[in-house]
Amino acid sequence: GEDVEQSLFLSVREGDSSVINCTYTDSSSTYLYWYKQEPGAGLQLLTYIFSNMDMKQDQRLTVLLNKKDKHLSLRIADTQTGDSAIYFCAEKSHGATNKLIFGTGTLLAVQP
Amino acid sequence: DSGVTQTPKHLITATGQRVTLRCSPRSGDLSVYWYQQSLDQGLQFLIQYYNGEERAKGNILERFSAQQFPDLHSELNLSSLELGDSALYFCASSPIDGAYEQYFGPGTRLTVT
Repeated sequence: GEDVEQSLFLSVREGDSSVINCTYTDSSSTYLYWYKQEPGAGLQLLTYIFSNMDMKQDQRLTVLLNKKDKHLSLRIADTQTGDSAIYFCAEKSHGATNKLIFGTGTLLAVQP
Repeated sequence: DSGVTQTPKHLITATGQRVTLRCSPRSGDLSVYWYQQSLDQGLQFLIQYYNGEERAKGNILERFSAQQFPDLHSELNLSSLELGDSALYFCASSPIDGAYEQYFGPGTRLTVT
């Protein structure tokens, strides 16, 4: 079946790196995503990775994909207070539907 | 700003009522998706339309329906509302069917009292 799991909470100090983890069960996932949701706001697409890649870097963001273990991570370098938000991992399965399956979200709290 | 607009931003209504949520996709996007975000169910896919036609269905209740109009905007109709329908309803759009990027609107917060 389709299931995406994330830890609920992560607290880091400003300037440190944050690593948010996600595991998924659908081995046919074609794309995996990270979305950011700030309080009272919509979902902002941060980055995505194709399932045939194992790493993608975009400025302060690094996505690592371990397809064997079905594990995805998002590393935020030099974390700032403005990075405080809920981060959602999502997968898009291979197949007829284009729905995204979202994880529960990880609340990142950045302490000054 | 993703370019996806949703109205209204907030909606408060009573049980048993019917409401319509509206979504305008990004300019040029043909696909529209509806998602529901609630505390107990998380973010769940409801339905997708592509160029006016229903493309995929998720966990959408029979009391809910949607459509996409020729100008590509979409409406989600929720009827016989129950307290448990209180949630954030998001619309997302993508350029083509199967595109890997979905851009989300700011959402409509529905409160059923």
